[in-house]
Amino acid sequence: QQQVKQSPQSLIVQKGGISIINCAYENTAFDYFPWYQQFPGKGPALLIAIRPDVSEKKEGRFTISFNKSAKQFSLHIMDSQPGDSATYFCAASKGGSQGNLIFGKGTKLSVKP
Amino acid sequence: NAGVTQTPKFQVLKTGQSMTLQCAQDMNHEYMSWYRQDPGMGLRLIHYSVGAGITDQGEVPNGYNVSRSTTEDFPLRLLSAAPSQTSVYFCASSFVVNSPLHFGNGTRLTVT
Repeated sequence: QQQVKQSPQSLIVQKGGISIINCAYENTAFDYFPWYQQFPGKGPALLIAIRPDVSEKKEGRFTISFNKSAKQFSLHIMDSQPGDSATYFCAASKGGSQGNLIFGKGTKLSVKP
Repeated sequence: NAGVTQTPKFQVLKTGQSMTLQCAQDMNHEYMSWYRQDPGMGLRLIHYSVGAGITDQGEVPNGYNVSRSTTEDFPLRLLSAAPSQTSVYFCASSFVVNSPLHFGNGTRLTVT
């Protein structure tokens, strides 16, 4: 079963616009929710992460919103730039020795100049 | 500080051949893992290790073996390659499980 569902698969945004990517999870034991950014030919790199004790975390133009009751979290990219064009993955994990990251299927973002 | 280093970057194998994908990290991370990335499938965990001498299976372990004799190295072995193993393979490490993962730049494997 797919434990982390990510949408949309692809997203086209105009420069300066807001990019929004959504993820939903099933396992209430998850307690760590990172977002990764991947450019072509490179490995994913951690962008921003949140724990369920807060509802929002902001780092520069990137914000994670977290809704524990709905089991959803989202990435907002404000003032999107062509350099933000990449594939974005949400992920989730639970604590303890079985806390491997489970990834969503990814969203390919294109920011048009 | 090189981070996570994967070799080779590209590899073509014939069905039935074997090979080892190398992964090394210089950050003294205890946790290491292997993922495969396929179009539209995201990243799927193959095997992982929480420390030297300890390995365990992930979501898609069939056809792959791993070992962890040192903290730094975590090689992935394909014993008899199959076309279904055509993929991009990523090695990743972190201080402990459930902490920020650092990825290598991947090995693109094609099995014909």
